[in-house]
Amino acid sequence: DADVTQTPRNRITKTGKRIMLECSQTKGHDRMYWYRQDPGLGLRLIYYSFDVKDINKGEISDGYSVSRQAQAKFSLSLESAIPNQTALYFCATSESTGAGELFFGEGSRLTVL
Amino acid sequence: DQQVKQNSPSLSVQEGRISILNCDYTNSMFDYFLWYKKYPAEGPTFLISISSIKDKNEDGRFTVFLNKSAKHLSLHIVPSQPGDSAVYFCAPDGGTSYGKLTFGQGTILTVHP
Repeated sequence: DADVTQTPRNRITKTGKRIMLECSQTKGHDRMYWYRQDPGLGLRLIYYSFDVKDINKGEISDGYSVSRQAQAKFSLSLESAIPNQTALYFCATSESTGAGELFFGEGSRLTVL
Repeated sequence: DQQVKQNSPSLSVQEGRISILNCDYTNSMFDYFLWYKKYPAEGPTFLISISSIKDKNEDGRFTVFLNKSAKHLSLHIVPSQPGDSAVYFCAPDGGTSYGKLTFGQGTILTVHP
């Protein structure tokens, strides 16, 4: 089983719909992240959480919200999806000490029509 | 304002030859530099890293070089193998963004048999 699990893996939705992407991890890490990948733009940080009570906006948080339900769970919501939110979304975790390696889930591909 | 740039979107090399992937950054506060590798339909995985106190770090076929004065790092793969074909991202860390990596746009490496 994957250490970082994302659901759903693929989702097609319509403009204006509410979408939630879920992430759970078994690595025991305090830090969790949501990134978005677009062609030619690399991975851009949407939100991050360094512990259960900590939520921070990243580079591109507009149009998104998050919830850290537990140490192991971090969900990303699109309250009213729009077509330019069509992208590949990645959840990641890391240890709480120092600059370190991120462990990524397999990604959730979202298409907004 | 892109703090991290990988100016070559793609690179094609012959099996057995050297692959050199480049990355430039602008933030002088970055002090730890990571490279990630991503295969299609998978999340990125950590490949190799280097601290700013070093100018070279080697791990098997992979070597990362850091030139702090030029704010430039490179990843050398030698000899290149077809299984190295993937997207490579550089991701510096440090300063005020400590703990949340800033990713370059990625370079698609194709190694031909």
